[in-house]
Amino acid sequence: DIQMTQSPSTLSASVGDRVTITCRASQSISSWLAWYQQKPGKAPQLLIYKASSLESGVSSRFSGGGSGTEFTLTISSLQPDDFATYYCQQYNSYSGTFGQGTKVEIK
Amino acid sequence: QLQLQESGSGLVKPSQTLSLTCAVSGGSVSSGGYSWGWIRQPPGKGLEWIGYIYHSGSAYYNPSLRSRITVSVDRSKNQFSLNLNSVTAADTAVYYCARGAFGYKPPYFDYWGQGTLITVSS
Repeated sequence: DIQMTQSPSTLSASVGDRVTITCRASQSISSWLAWYQQKPGKAPQLLIYKASSLESGVSSRFSGGGSGTEFTLTISSLQPDDFATYYCQQYNSYSGTFGQGTKVEIK
Repeated sequence: QLQLQESGSGLVKPSQTLSLTCAVSGGSVSSGGYSWGWIRQPPGKGLEWIGYIYHSGSAYYNPSLRSRITVSVDRSKNQFSLNLNSVTAADTAVYYCARGAFGYKPPYFDYWGQGTLITVSS
């Protein structure tokens, strides 16, 4: 199984900050990576697919990058609505494994 | 707009079978190229992929759960279902149904249901 590891687990930031979350795969997954945002009590929402493609309707503040085993999700200027937990998911192998999540908190 | 809605018993006794259904509206489970999946989230924890199915009936399961899972699709009712047998407290979670993006295997998920909490307890 491919393991996905996100860092940091928790991130404290202020409105307007540029923040970056990292997701590492235990083996190469090419660009087969998605990012989701989840708010408390809500279902995850797709942000990015194929590592860097922005899902329709998602703010351009969000961008994704990377390939192979290392990937990033960047929020260019953190807004109040962006405080949430973010998950990566690989969809290269048989099992579409998720990362453990990164919680973005208000500093 | 595609919508998915989970339904099922919220409380299941240990060793029994958890059964959930996901009703799809605004789209069809018979649409070629899409898959229909289940993901769960234990309280306070992260997401775990359970399995997904195509309209043809071809299903793919998380290896750690494969021996206990059945995912099926009912094209006449435009819904798909999850059965998880021999449940324990470790299966307590919010269960989400979701649509797998077109043409990907395994898929990422572009539409999600709101989720339903299933508690395993005697």
